[in-house]
Amino acid sequence: NAGVTQTPKFQVLKTGQSMTLQCAQDMNHNSMYWYRQDPGMGLRLIYYSASEGTTDKGEVPNGYNVSRLNKREFSLRLESAAPSQTSVYFCASRLAANQPQHFGDGTRLSIL
Amino acid sequence: GENVEQHPSTLSVQEGDSAVIKCTYSDSASNYFPWYKQELGKRPQLIIDIRSNVGEKKDQRIAVTLNKTAKHFSLHITETQPEDSAVYFCAADLGGGTSYGKLTFGQGTILTVHP
Repeated sequence: NAGVTQTPKFQVLKTGQSMTLQCAQDMNHNSMYWYRQDPGMGLRLIYYSASEGTTDKGEVPNGYNVSRLNKREFSLRLESAAPSQTSVYFCASRLAANQPQHFGDGTRLSIL
Repeated sequence: GENVEQHPSTLSVQEGDSAVIKCTYSDSASNYFPWYKQELGKRPQLIIDIRSNVGEKKDQRIAVTLNKTAKHFSLHITETQPEDSAVYFCAADLGGGTSYGKLTFGQGTILTVHP
């Protein structure tokens, strides 16, 4: 049982490049989330998908787009990367509200 | 929306002592409160959670208490060990309404247990 799988694990981009971070879960969870975590900081919600077919903005959505491809997969896209988007990105999923969230191992993204 | 405040931001204890981390939340409709532990360079992992119909929950050396009237909840770790050193996050879940499906996290507490 893999849980939440994120790809890639590491990536270096140049300013202005685009990139899609991939996330897949095999737990039949309904809700999926994207967070960013800056050094020494907490978790900030970028976007979430409460159920298949819906997406909503979180706390810091500017500069990002998401796609809930199907129940298993939720991708995060940076259209024009900026140095301020250098961070660790975590994907998470859970069965429903009031249930635990399960996190992936994260993607460490550096933008030069 | 919901707002969660977590204190202290850093906590240093000697091995064997107890550690307490406190969180307050703003929306009285929140009804689910998980705690996550994040070791350096790793993902957050759930260590314990509590729902609003329960006042206290224990799991070995870890316990969580909830005071709905005061809108605060706390994590208690007894007999701390060096491997308890990590960042701990609390969170609150409204569970419905316009914030359906979204957890609000506290800012985190860096716990250091000295041997």
